Amino acid sequence: EAQVTQNPRYLITVTGKKLTVTCSQNMNHEYMSWYRQDPGLGLRQIYYSMNVEVTDKGDVPEGYKVSRKEKRNFPLILESPSPNQTSLYFCASSLSSGGTDTQYFGPGTRLTVL
Amino acid sequence: AQSVAQPEDQVNVAEGNPLTVKCTYSVSGNPYLFWYVQYPNRGLQFLLKYITGDNLVKGSYGFEAEFNKSQTSFHLKKPSALVSDSALYFCAVRGPSTDSWGKLQFGAGTQVVVTP
Repeated sequence: EAQVTQNPRYLITVTGKKLTVTCSQNMNHEYMSWYRQDPGLGLRQIYYSMNVEVTDKGDVPEGYKVSRKEKRNFPLILESPSPNQTSLYFCASSLSSGGTDTQYFGPGTRLTVL
Repeated sequence: AQSVAQPEDQVNVAEGNPLTVKCTYSVSGNPYLFWYVQYPNRGLQFLLKYITGDNLVKGSYGFEAEFNKSQTSFHLKKPSALVSDSALYFCAVRGPSTDSWGKLQFGAGTQVVVTP
């Protein structure tokens, strides 16, 4: 089944403890992206990747890192999480980086930072 | 810069009545517009998109949307709402230039509540 998977789905952690949220897609998509969803703010883009080894900042990149060493994986790294990073995170992918392509979303990761 | 506005936090409609969810956008040039739906505890699902051509776009689950360039709007519609349409709906826009291809701008979302 074609899908975007994220792990973990739920995570409670403490301030300052490094964590990684994994994202993987099995559709051979070039483009991948990370979003965070907060009530009243919709989805805001954190980072995106147009292809392997190509990443760029979205609207809210502060406090996050990403890497794209292989096509299928796009992990999100929080080096020193803080409570304001408590949010619902979504990974998405699309066939290409072309503007008309539809993005397909993972199921989400709910992160709580205490 | 591109932006999207969904002016209604919530839309309430009775089952069987028409449903409209409003979206207006701001972008330089011709926009690429998308609607997504989020059911409780689920990821976003694609409903439909406007790229070019016919202003009326038909999508999944009986939804359609009308692109209006003069009003910079892309309202989502369904002729007869179902209780199962209750969900959070997001409008999104991307600009036509290659500089903006990587960036998809979402609205704040509109909660749709369909009552039996």
